[in-house]
Amino acid sequence: DAKTTQPPSMDCAEGRAANLPCNHSTISGNEYVYWYRQIHSQGPQYIIHGLKNNETNEMASLIITEDRKSSTLILPHATLRDTAVYYCIVAPAGGGNKLTFGTGTQLKVEL
Amino acid sequence: EAGVTQFPSHSVIEKGQTVTLRCDPISGHDNLYWYRRVMGKEIKFLLHFVKESKQDESGMPNNRFLAERTGGTYSTLKVQPAELEDSGVYFCASSPTDRVSKTQYFGPGTRLLVL
Repeated sequence: DAKTTQPPSMDCAEGRAANLPCNHSTISGNEYVYWYRQIHSQGPQYIIHGLKNNETNEMASLIITEDRKSSTLILPHATLRDTAVYYCIVAPAGGGNKLTFGTGTQLKVEL
Repeated sequence: EAGVTQFPSHSVIEKGQTVTLRCDPISGHDNLYWYRRVMGKEIKFLLHFVKESKQDESGMPNNRFLAERTGGTYSTLKVQPAELEDSGVYFCASSPTDRVSKTQYFGPGTRLLVL
């Protein structure tokens, strides 16, 4: 699976948009970009995924560059409860396979 | 719909003892995964079941770890005998048989402390 690079930490003011970047320059054509987060002491939580088009759901938006070498997770109106470690993971398409977690980005949302 | 559940939530045992962790996946999910995070390290994959069959057990650290999924429903992960370095949080996840995406849904984890 392709490796990803994320900043170790970011801060965001409550109510503002949080934009979390991820580099995945070695991504191959059949690999999806997945975002998970882990709120302290809980299991990882799925947020969103995409292949090449931008995606939006009730939690977040995912913007993937045209060359697919990087992506940005956007939390449009961050709240204190969004404080967590966010993981960007790339993995091939197809039925169930392992997820490779890196160190992620520690997002701290403050008042 | 109930999520992935794990039991126990915490376990404290002595080195050399045996511990069995249980995972109940989301109903209907054929794929079941075990991961763990040891202190200060990243979350690491242990193994993957498709129904009752082991699809990938490349992440199992050694033969002290035994995972089973009889009947293709719940799974158990036994550590025997436990060592100090086995301490950490063990997560279970499940996913449906959808062959397009890999969305995995995680349980809350079992926190294991080996003394």
